[in-house]
Order: sequence, then C-alpha cells, then structure tokens
Amino acid sequence: GQQVMQIPQYQHVQEGEDFTTYCNSSTTLSNIQWYKQRPGGHPVFLIQLVKSGEVKKQKRLTFQFGEAKKNSSLHITATQTTDVGTYFCAGPGSARQLTFGSGTQLTVLP
Amino acid sequence: GAGVSQSPSNKVTEKGKDVELRCDPISGHTALYWYRQSLGQGLEFLIYFQGNSAPDKSGLPSDRFSAERTGGSVSTLTIQRTQQEDSAVYLCASSLEGTGNQPQHFGDGTRLSIL
Repeated sequence: GQQVMQIPQYQHVQEGEDFTTYCNSSTTLSNIQWYKQRPGGHPVFLIQLVKSGEVKKQKRLTFQFGEAKKNSSLHITATQTTDVGTYFCAGPGSARQLTFGSGTQLTVLP
Repeated sequence: GAGVSQSPSNKVTEKGKDVELRCDPISGHTALYWYRQSLGQGLEFLIYFQGNSAPDKSGLPSDRFSAERTGGSVSTLTIQRTQQEDSAVYLCASSLEGTGNQPQHFGDGTRLSIL
C-alpha cells in the first residue's frame, strides 16, 4: 500500500533560524496536504498542492510539490515561537482517502 | 459553531469497562474519520465512513473496537473491555467528500485514560 514518509522526525531550531520538513510518497499523488498540530491541539489544515512543481507561500511558510508529484516540502523562514508544533503531510490513499505522514515535531528555542 | 464536535473531551475509566465516544461532523460533510494518537506520536487511522457506503474498518486494532454512523451524521466509537494500552487521544475528522482531494477538519479529540 501507499506509504508517506516524513523527515526529520524531530527538529530543534533557535528562534530566527530556518526550518524545512520533507515528505516522500511511494506513489504519485494527485495532491498533497499539509497540517499543523500545536501542542495539546488538533491537526489544522494549512494548504493543498495539486500541480506538478507547484509552490505556494503563506507569509513565512513556503510549500513545494515535486515535479514527479511524489515529494513535497515545507520551509519556514525565520522561525518564531508560534511555529512550534508538529507538521504533517498527507496524500490520498486507496482505502482511507488520506494517508498521513509520521510528522515532524518542531521545537523553537527562544 | 460549525466545527467538528467531540464528546466527552476527557474520559477516565477503569480497565475492563466499556466506553463510547461521540463525534458530530460538520454539517454537509459526507466523509467521517476516526484516528487514535498516543502521546507524541502520529495519527493512527481507525475507521472511515463515506456516505451510505460500507465503512472501511481496516484500521481497527481489535474486535473490541467498533463504530457506527447513524443517519450519515453523528458517529460513535465504542471500545469494549478497555485495556491500559487504549489510553490515547481519539480524534474525529470530517471532509466534504471522501475523495482524498478535500481537506479534513478535526475535532478537539477525546482524551481517554484507562486506570
């Protein structure tokens, strides 16, 4: 079955440093979604990418979808303490409709 | 308040008891999902409902777990004869349709603690 792998599992950065998390799928995806889960909270939808090579920005967050539509990345410029949380990517699966990656837990040190 | 609503928010029970968790999805959403999340871990898929189709139960960890969705809206997840390893946060999500092309909207979850 389809697998969605995310690296790194954990990332500690100093406030102001950049951060990137990577997502890789074993199969070509029709779209990829990104979610953020704050500590003690629930996952919240951030964005969806559909097109090959697509790049979308939300303030300091930049999302990319690979040319082959099998990988994606989320880059945060100049992290802030409000960026703390776990970032999940998710892609359509055959049975359960969305397969979530294992997540990258971001810690921002002040 | 049009979000996904889950109840109770917290549940503490003794090992061996049955528990029932409730999820009220966003109105008009045909797809409903249950996930389990242990502390510091990822999302473990449990079960998926899409309209009137037979649910995808492939993620249920044992026959002690069951779920139903009545009238295509509210869903209940039942855990029978609870065990300590069932302790986790149980998250419900809904989406407009279950095509994999729609974002999922999550509830706040039920934190289940088995003593």
